[in-house]
Amino acid sequence: QKEVEQNSGPLSVPEGAIASLNCTYSDRGSQSFFWYRQYSGKSPELIMSIYSNGDKEDGRFTAQLNKASQYVSLLIRDSQPSDSATYLCAVLYSSASKIIFGSGTRLSIRP
Amino acid sequence: DAEITQSPRHKITETGRQVTLACHQTWNHNNMFWYRQDLGHGLRLIHYSYGVQDTNKGEVSDGYSVSRSNTEDLPLTLESAASSQTSVYFCASSESNSGRWFFGPGTRLTVL
Repeated sequence: QKEVEQNSGPLSVPEGAIASLNCTYSDRGSQSFFWYRQYSGKSPELIMSIYSNGDKEDGRFTAQLNKASQYVSLLIRDSQPSDSATYLCAVLYSSASKIIFGSGTRLSIRP
Repeated sequence: DAEITQSPRHKITETGRQVTLACHQTWNHNNMFWYRQDLGHGLRLIHYSYGVQDTNKGEVSDGYSVSRSNTEDLPLTLESAASSQTSVYFCASSESNSGRWFFGPGTRLTVL
């Protein structure tokens, strides 16, 4: 079992719809979770962080965390073509100050 | 503005040669990391450092080494480049325990 798992996609969503990205992790002790966005040929950039169970909203983005089920998700409302990118889920492992990344989900927003 | 830079941005080398990739950050972060990114594998940790003179192996450290002589720099050395090391390499830094990683622009390395 991979430490951080994501569906690789591609996930195709019509413009204006809600895109839902999911991630599961194996370390029950993890406390910090992140979503990074990576455009083709560019470096990852942090878009959301979440530390406690429930929802966290920032503009069109909502991160959701369920520690009991060991999953974290990212919702993108009113999807725009500019949201087309690979989204990386990342978990800060409790055993060390290092972050483990999932392999990413490629999201495509179709006009 | 603080930043993290990598050089070179592109490198082509031959099998068996020693290659060093540079990473320099002006955030004054203690933590620095090297990742490689390959299709289907996401970002995999090569080496990391929590401060000057501190280095640690990541999940794919074989064939790579790092040294940390100051806060700003963490060069990555491929002792004897192999074709399997063809990849995009990202350097990152973070504040201690912040969980927020800042990435450099990446170096595309091709080993022929």
